[in-house]
Amino acid sequence: SAVISQKPSRDICQRGTSLTIQCQVDSQVTMMFWYRQQPGQSLTLIATANQGSEATYESGFVIDKFPISRPNLTFSTLTVSNMSPEDSSIYLCSVGVGSGGYTFGSGTRLTVV
Amino acid sequence: SQQGEEDPQALSIQEGENATMNCSYKTSINNLQWYRQNSGRGLVHLILIRSNEREKHSGRLRVTLDTSKKSSSLLITASRAADTASYFCATDARGGGADGLTFGKGTHLIIQP
Repeated sequence: SAVISQKPSRDICQRGTSLTIQCQVDSQVTMMFWYRQQPGQSLTLIATANQGSEATYESGFVIDKFPISRPNLTFSTLTVSNMSPEDSSIYLCSVGVGSGGYTFGSGTRLTVV
Repeated sequence: SQQGEEDPQALSIQEGENATMNCSYKTSINNLQWYRQNSGRGLVHLILIRSNEREKHSGRLRVTLDTSKKSSSLLITASRAADTASYFCATDARGGGADGLTFGKGTHLIIQP
């Protein structure tokens, strides 16, 4: 199955700034998924990134706040813009694998102060 | 949005005992998957059960699926301290790795040595 390298693993950021999270996959994949996990909570899908087209966002998430790039079939970035303490979460990327399961990156733990 | 509930939210048992976690979901599915997360890091895929299957085994794991009740259970037998983690069920509506997953709220499992 695919292996995902996600970075940074953690960061502490000032409110009002932006952070870009990167995910590199060791094989070409059509879809990449970005999730948010708020403290003590489960995962919520933010958006689906398809190479060559604009990302599709889930209800409650907007492109201005979470712009996504997908320049090729092995790479994607998620930017958390104009951050506030409420954005403190773990952000994870994911890709589907042939068996039907999904592989996840190791996560980015973001703290906004 | 979250697919459904998992219970219990937290479970503490002695090493060697069996641990059972339950999951309910709301919409029709292609498959249901279980994941483990250690200390808020990346998720590890444990097992996938398709909507036309009722039970599946993998090592010490046993998963059941009741589509009429929209529920699933995960049994971990002969638990070990290393099984301490959060466990999440997740549903895939269409399968094929194209839509991402909808996660339950999770069960935090603690194995007492």
